Amino acid sequence: GAVVSQHPSRVICKSGTSVKIECRSLDFQATTMFWYRQFPKQSLMLMATSNEGSKATYEQGVEKDKFLINHASLTLSTLTVTSAHPEDSSFYICSAESGGSTDTQYFGPGTRLTVL
Amino acid sequence: QKEVEQNSGPLSVPEGAIASLNCTYSDRGSQSFFWYRQYSGKSPELIMFIYSNGDKEDGRFTAQLNKASQYVSLLIRDSQPSDSATYLCAVNQAGTALIFGKGTTLSVSS
Repeated sequence: GAVVSQHPSRVICKSGTSVKIECRSLDFQATTMFWYRQFPKQSLMLMATSNEGSKATYEQGVEKDKFLINHASLTLSTLTVTSAHPEDSSFYICSAESGGSTDTQYFGPGTRLTVL
Repeated sequence: QKEVEQNSGPLSVPEGAIASLNCTYSDRGSQSFFWYRQYSGKSPELIMFIYSNGDKEDGRFTAQLNKASQYVSLLIRDSQPSDSATYLCAVNQAGTALIFGKGTTLSVSS
């Protein structure tokens, strides 16, 4: 149980284009999903917290107009990187919270974005 | 600012030995504590969580929590080369996002 999927796993795009990444909880409902970014050899950096049916909460320094998050259902959250630039190239990982007393988060496999 | 501290390593142990990974946290209100394993180029994988003082065992893994000392550790018994990875400690309060440490790199030599 507690499987989280992400799509696509890898994407290469040209500078200036937009890229949408999907995060799905496959066997549980997740009222809260999280989006992280990880640069090579660095730790996970939380970008935003996404709650179903409400606006995402962005961490300081993360541009909400550039990283659009939609959490339309209890099993799906999307992250759209708008007008991507080479510095946005990174490993984007989502996680979904399973609820309960421990608020355990399960991670998706990640999406490697390369912007040319 | 809430922080989670880990020694970056690398921690090197021979195959079959016990690997001990340590983590301290600054927020006394933290309620849940997690250990994730991350292989290079992959996303984190949950190993264990613990929320009560004491030890929690799962197979070769034992998590230890001491809230008074704000300290949580992970012991890996009979370490295998496949255990070589970065281990992330994470803590949170109910309903809040996890706060991650920067991770400890473990290398198990055969």
